[in-house]
Amino acid sequence: AQSVTQLGSHVSVSEGALVLLRCNYSSSVPPYLFWYVQYPNQGLQLLLKYTSAATLVKGINGFEAEFKKSETSFHLTKPSAHMSDAAEYFCAAGRASSNTGKLIFGQGTTLQVKP
Amino acid sequence: GAGVSQSPSNKVTEKGKDVELRCDPISGHTALYWYRQRLGQGLEFLIYFQGNSAPDKSGLPSDRFSAERTGESVSTLTIQRTQQEDSAVYLCASSPLDRVASPLHFGNGTRLTVT
Repeated sequence: AQSVTQLGSHVSVSEGALVLLRCNYSSSVPPYLFWYVQYPNQGLQLLLKYTSAATLVKGINGFEAEFKKSETSFHLTKPSAHMSDAAEYFCAAGRASSNTGKLIFGQGTTLQVKP
Repeated sequence: GAGVSQSPSNKVTEKGKDVELRCDPISGHTALYWYRQRLGQGLEFLIYFQGNSAPDKSGLPSDRFSAERTGESVSTLTIQRTQQEDSAVYLCASSPLDRVASPLHFGNGTRLTVT
């Protein structure tokens, strides 16, 4: 069965520091992969997605993620954290061969940005 | 334009009571999904609707849970004889296409507390 694992339920960085949020997937077939962000008191919104085109995907707010098939990973990065990046981040996977948009989500990682 | 709207935003109910949660998707979105987010956990798929096709109910945790959707509009998720373990945030999402690459647009959720 397909699964998504996010390493670290809480990550804390200083403002200006590198952000790295880890995501690994388990699937016999490379899936489509997504990162969603949930700001306080808001719904989830899409940050970026991988759909088997370029392995390095750029998203909104300066975030990017790299699909690495050999490592079954799709880690999210941002070179310099801003206070406004504090939120909960979810990695999700969907079957590329599926005709449904149903996604499997990871447990989420809360990002704290310290001044 | 208007996003996905969910009501109520908060619901407190006594164990054993029935509750009904409502979702208004973005106009024109053919696919609609319900997810559940328990405290400290990732999103758990419950059910999805696509047009007039039979819904995918594979994620419903028990027969106390049911959902309906009228055409491509409003959906209601009903939980009968609520239990304390039903306490969670219930999220609704819609998508313009029933394709895995089509991003989900989430509502702000309904926080259900069963006492």
